[in-house]
Amino acid sequence: GAVVSQHPSRVICKSGTSVKIECRSLDFQATTMFWYRQFPKQSLMLMATSNEGSKATYEQGVEKDKFLINHASLTLSTLTVTSAHPEDSSFYICSASSQPRDTDTQYFGPGTRLTVL
Amino acid sequence: GESVGLHLPTLSVQEGDNSIINCAYSNSASDYFIWYKQESGKGPQFIIDIRSNMDKRQGQRVTVLLNKTVKHLSLQIAATQPGDSAVYFCAENIAAGNKLTFGGGTRVLVKP
Repeated sequence: GAVVSQHPSRVICKSGTSVKIECRSLDFQATTMFWYRQFPKQSLMLMATSNEGSKATYEQGVEKDKFLINHASLTLSTLTVTSAHPEDSSFYICSASSQPRDTDTQYFGPGTRLTVL
Repeated sequence: GESVGLHLPTLSVQEGDNSIINCAYSNSASDYFIWYKQESGKGPQFIIDIRSNMDKRQGQRVTVLLNKTVKHLSLQIAATQPGDSAVYFCAENIAAGNKLTFGGGTRVLVKP
């Protein structure tokens, strides 16, 4: 149980285009989902916290107009990188907290490798 | 291990030996701690957790120790196997925010 999927696993796009990444909780309802970014040989940095049916809460320094997050259902959150540039190339990882079973534990997706040319 | 910028601390271990990975956390208000394992190109995988009202917790081949006095967390892996080669992250959670703050990570290399 507690499986989180992401799609796509890998995406290459041209500079200036937008890319959408999906995060799904497959066997549980996730009222809260989190989006992280990880650069090579670095740790995970939280970008935003997403609650179902409400606006996402962004961490300091993360541009909300560039990284659009939508959490329209209890099993799906999407991250859209708008007008992507090479510096946005990174490994994007989502996680989800399962309710009501375990509110503290976050279950992570497999990640999405974004490469902007 | 603590982050040293772009260079992950590396622990080289002989197969069959025990591994100890250390982590210093920053916030005395943190009350929940988790160890994650991350293999190359994959998302973090939950290993074991511990709450601040405990000093030690054991799982299968893994033990987490928590020293709140010095804000230190460690992960012990018994009889390390080649499949244990990965980057290990500690994470702390402050109950009020339910947000995880990750440590810098330690790479474990298991030598046959």
